[in-house]
Amino acid sequence: QSALTQPPSASGSPGQSVTISCTGTNDDVGGYNDVSWYQQHPGTAPKLMIYDVTKRPSGVPGRFSGSKSGSTASLTVSGLLAEDEADYYCSSYAGSNNHLIFGGGTKLTVL
Amino acid sequence: QLQLQESGPGLVKPSETLSLTCTVSGGSISSSSYYWGWIRQPPGKGLEWIGSFSYSGSTYYNPSLKSRVTVFVDASKNHFSLKLSSVTAADTALYYCARPYLPGRTRDFDSWGQGTLVTVSS
Repeated sequence: QSALTQPPSASGSPGQSVTISCTGTNDDVGGYNDVSWYQQHPGTAPKLMIYDVTKRPSGVPGRFSGSKSGSTASLTVSGLLAEDEADYYCSSYAGSNNHLIFGGGTKLTVL
Repeated sequence: QLQLQESGPGLVKPSETLSLTCTVSGGSISSSSYYWGWIRQPPGKGLEWIGSFSYSGSTYYNPSLKSRVTVFVDASKNHFSLKLSSVTAADTALYYCARPYLPGRTRDFDSWGQGTLVTVSS
């Protein structure tokens, strides 16, 4: 099972919105409403930001939102803050055989 | 508050078995409601799911690693362990243990250990 496809980098200025895509296939992203997004700052463990495509765990700011169209999921960060600069990874359920796969990660830079 | 802490040798020789332990505090590993998981991250690279399992015995493994992975649970010590056999340099990574956000879920990990770096080298 191949990893999900994410752009290697994204950027935006403070206050702006940025969207990061995550492309899979009908066997993963397109087949299930089971996409998650993680934020990872250098030297720290990943933090769950979105699950089940659109849901936010308790404590995650509303500036973070998720969506999906076909086999592409997206994470949108609105009102960019300097602290949002980090690596972002998507993941998707991939059926009973492969179960869980990750994207390659996107480095978000706040200009 | 739930805390997880990985431990184990930082250096493993090629063809040998990597062994790591995740010690859990602030919660019981024997809760039948929650799964537990292992995820790894090669230096400078992305995340790779290794497997998820429950205290009751349900297990799910990454098919690319399944033939080499074994997990053990020791409820008396509130910890669980990972063994990865026949390691190569490709297994060099930061290994994380984690627990999902919701009970009954095998993914969507929101509680993570700090990670432990394992290098495979002779």
